[in-house]
Amino acid sequence: DAGVTQSPTHLIKTRGQQVTLRCSPKSGHDTVSWYQQALGQGPQFIFQYYEEEERQRGNFPDRFSGHQFPNYSSELNVNALWLGDSALYLCASSRTSLDEQFFGPGTRLTVL
Amino acid sequence: AQKITQTQPGMFVQEKEAVTLDCTYDTSDPSYGLFWYKQPSSGEMIFLIYQGSYDQQNATEGRYSLNFQKARKSANLVISASQLGDSAMYFCAMSSDSGSARQLTFGSGTQLTVLP
Repeated sequence: DAGVTQSPTHLIKTRGQQVTLRCSPKSGHDTVSWYQQALGQGPQFIFQYYEEEERQRGNFPDRFSGHQFPNYSSELNVNALWLGDSALYLCASSRTSLDEQFFGPGTRLTVL
Repeated sequence: AQKITQTQPGMFVQEKEAVTLDCTYDTSDPSYGLFWYKQPSSGEMIFLIYQGSYDQQNATEGRYSLNFQKARKSANLVISASQLGDSAMYFCAMSSDSGSARQLTFGSGTQLTVLP
């Protein structure tokens, strides 16, 4: 049984560019949450997707957007990248929007 | 707003000894959940243990136990018989169930090093 998978593993972008990160949830899970973890800090909640809709959003600007597909996989898009967007981006899936969250290995984004 | 505080940036423990990682929280919600996660250098967050705010007994999972003191708003993690593989970053987190969605609020973490 595959766990949560994320791609790519690492990514390097320059300021002003746009990036798309991808997440496939654990089998049987229909909810995906995204977190940003800056170096030396705990993860911060970006948003949660369920039934292809954004259900809850953390304190992140509109440059951060997402999408959930009918197969429950999800994308995180970040526009107009800043140096401060450099972080580990973690995806978590859950069986329902209120259940225990299982995390993927993350995508490490570096903005130069 | 919810807040998690972990006051120990780093901890050392001798192999086979027990260690306690501190966590205090602040919330106005009457119902909440408390979690501990382990994050090795690979980056993946590994779930360790969960405590519900209405649970009467402290949660235990193998060598992990959660010392839940509701009046003091603390949820300390106790690891018994430490192993070298326990060396990692440990995060305390709280869940907030708003309507139909849940988000986790994390602390800043404690780096645990197990010494041989």
